[in-house]
Amino acid sequence: GENVEQHPSTLSVQEGDSAVIKCTYSDSASNYFPWYKQELGKRPQLIIDIRSNVGEKKDQRIAVTLNKTAKHFSLHITETQPEDSAVYFCAARETQGAQKLVFGQGTRLTINP
Amino acid sequence: GAVVSQHPSWVICKSGTSVKIECRSLDFQATTMFWYRQFPKQSLMLMATSNEGSKATYEQGVEKDKFLINHASLTLSTLTVTSAHPEDSSFYICSATAPGEAFFGQGTRLTVV
Repeated sequence: GENVEQHPSTLSVQEGDSAVIKCTYSDSASNYFPWYKQELGKRPQLIIDIRSNVGEKKDQRIAVTLNKTAKHFSLHITETQPEDSAVYFCAARETQGAQKLVFGQGTRLTINP
Repeated sequence: GAVVSQHPSWVICKSGTSVKIECRSLDFQATTMFWYRQFPKQSLMLMATSNEGSKATYEQGVEKDKFLINHASLTLSTLTVTSAHPEDSSFYICSATAPGEAFFGQGTRLTVV
């Protein structure tokens, strides 16, 4: 099955700087890669996603890039703000069977004022 | 977007008792739902895939007799933690997929005392 690795586990950046979180996946057949933001005790919230037929997607301050050949994808947050502080998870969706979402280990992002 | 509702949001139970958690898709039908468990500061780990009208599929290492899953209708899946023990204390989250995207319930904080 799919295996997703996420780095770094913690990330601290100054307000206004950019943050980058990286994930790799193992199953070349996976075709959907969402990113979630989770605040303490809350459900994961989808912030951006990308499908395997696209190399990059941007939504205001958030962008995701996908390299299918290398099997890795990255989340880029620009002009970070204190409210960006949260735990971020990447995921990859299997294409076989029930099409499960497999999550990375998570990155705790802290934005320092 | 689609709405998935999970109930209860938190529960405290005595060791040895059973607890039932409900997951409903409010505005769409879901033949498949997923149950995750999340320990503090960890990622979402898939426990099982709930299939409407058939047996659930459990991930390796998850005891099917301890975590009973019933998916009796296209909008409701239930997870029953039987003979709960303190080590079962965790955050349980369900999800269902509407076309193209996964939607999560609010999560249930289970504390076994």
